[in-house]
Amino acid sequence: GESVGLHLPTLSVQEGDNSIINCAYSNSASDYFIWYKQESGKGPQFIIDIRSNMDKRQGQRVTVLLNKTVKHLSLQIAATQPGDSAVYFCAETLEGDDKIIFGKGTRLHILP
Amino acid sequence: GAGVSQSPRYKVAKRGQDVALRCDPISGHVSLFWYQQALGQGPEFLTYFQNEAQLDKSGLPSDRFFAERPEGSVSTLKIQRTQQEDSAVYLCASSQGRSGDTFGSGTRLTVV
Repeated sequence: GESVGLHLPTLSVQEGDNSIINCAYSNSASDYFIWYKQESGKGPQFIIDIRSNMDKRQGQRVTVLLNKTVKHLSLQIAATQPGDSAVYFCAETLEGDDKIIFGKGTRLHILP
Repeated sequence: GAGVSQSPRYKVAKRGQDVALRCDPISGHVSLFWYQQALGQGPEFLTYFQNEAQLDKSGLPSDRFFAERPEGSVSTLKIQRTQQEDSAVYLCASSQGRSGDTFGSGTRLTVV
């Protein structure tokens, strides 16, 4: 299949370690945030979301942190596995709008 | 269906040719979105439907791009007189409401 994100920033993490992927957003009117995982040849896959009235949300092996003061979003993946290799995108929606605005992706590379 | 289905999976068009890309959303999903993803970039919003109504087409890059969803289910994205800069992956997503959308695998369009 085709490659996604040939020239994206890359984060290399040892298998079993925790991964932290960071994202900055610019619009103060954004009130809903989503992290997506995209594997080569596939569409983005929803991982976890968070609304602007929260600062932390946990899922299975994943945690999203939101710092509205500095407009920063992060995705933490615990005990990174080979299957976590993909490009990760943060995304936001503006209050009153439904379309998703994607940020720049980060390629996560798992070292054996 | 179980997921969002897009066809064709790959399309090669000669410059100047018209193309039509199809999206079958998840049954019952009210909202349907089209995105364009260039190589190495995040998806960019094209247009949005709520049932059969096209509520936002602000992302369509030119009047050569046209989308429809006449019965509120299947949607077609049509590109007239294709140009090389139209080469990209075209992603469709559907959702029930304001939550993380479910994406299809996309149609990779190559204009030669």
